[in-house]
Amino acid sequence: ETGVTQSPTHLIKTRGQQVTLRCSSQSGHNTVSWYQQALGQGPQFIFQYYREEENGRGNFPPRFSGLQFPNYSSELNVNALELDDSALYLCASRSQGEYTEAFFGQGTRLTVV
Amino acid sequence: RKEVEQDPGPFNVPEGATVAFNCTYSNSASQSFFWYRQDCRKEPKLLMSVYSSGNEDGRFTAQLNRASQYISLLIRDSKLSDSATYLCVVNINGNKLVFGAGTILRVKS
Repeated sequence: ETGVTQSPTHLIKTRGQQVTLRCSSQSGHNTVSWYQQALGQGPQFIFQYYREEENGRGNFPPRFSGLQFPNYSSELNVNALELDDSALYLCASRSQGEYTEAFFGQGTRLTVV
Repeated sequence: RKEVEQDPGPFNVPEGATVAFNCTYSNSASQSFFWYRQDCRKEPKLLMSVYSSGNEDGRFTAQLNRASQYISLLIRDSKLSDSATYLCVVNINGNKLVFGAGTILRVKS
């Protein structure tokens, strides 16, 4: 086990709704990244938080937003859900630095109907 | 050009075979590289980190060619349990991990 936990594990939402996904990082890790993985694709980088500040963002619209808390846990919020937002959402935690490995939670499978 | 590119496969190989995957990256400033393994509907798990020219861990060997900007993963004596998707990962600018789309490996008895 990696020590990274995500909740919920599965979620069904209706188009237009908002969703909040949660991630608890591994002890000692101060950096959390979020990824979206569609079926048959590799994980796509959404954004990264380091010490409560966003310090990297991928090509996702502003309706994807996040937070990191003082204990380094994190939330991903998605507003105005679209059908294409259906995917596995992965959280990864690591220590800041060029050579540190990332460890993933089990993911949240979001279905938008 | 994509930041990280992999041959999607699938690679169908018999047990005991040797198989190699390649991955190319576009950002020449990238310093660290990883191979992750992902089983169906599960999260990616770190297989190997690739530093300097490469490293070996049991049946797995990863190599890095900075001049040509590619990373390879060699699996010797394939086992049925090696069947999975293998993800090539590049650390861009020290703060963003970019994943390839993955290469599917199927090992058959």
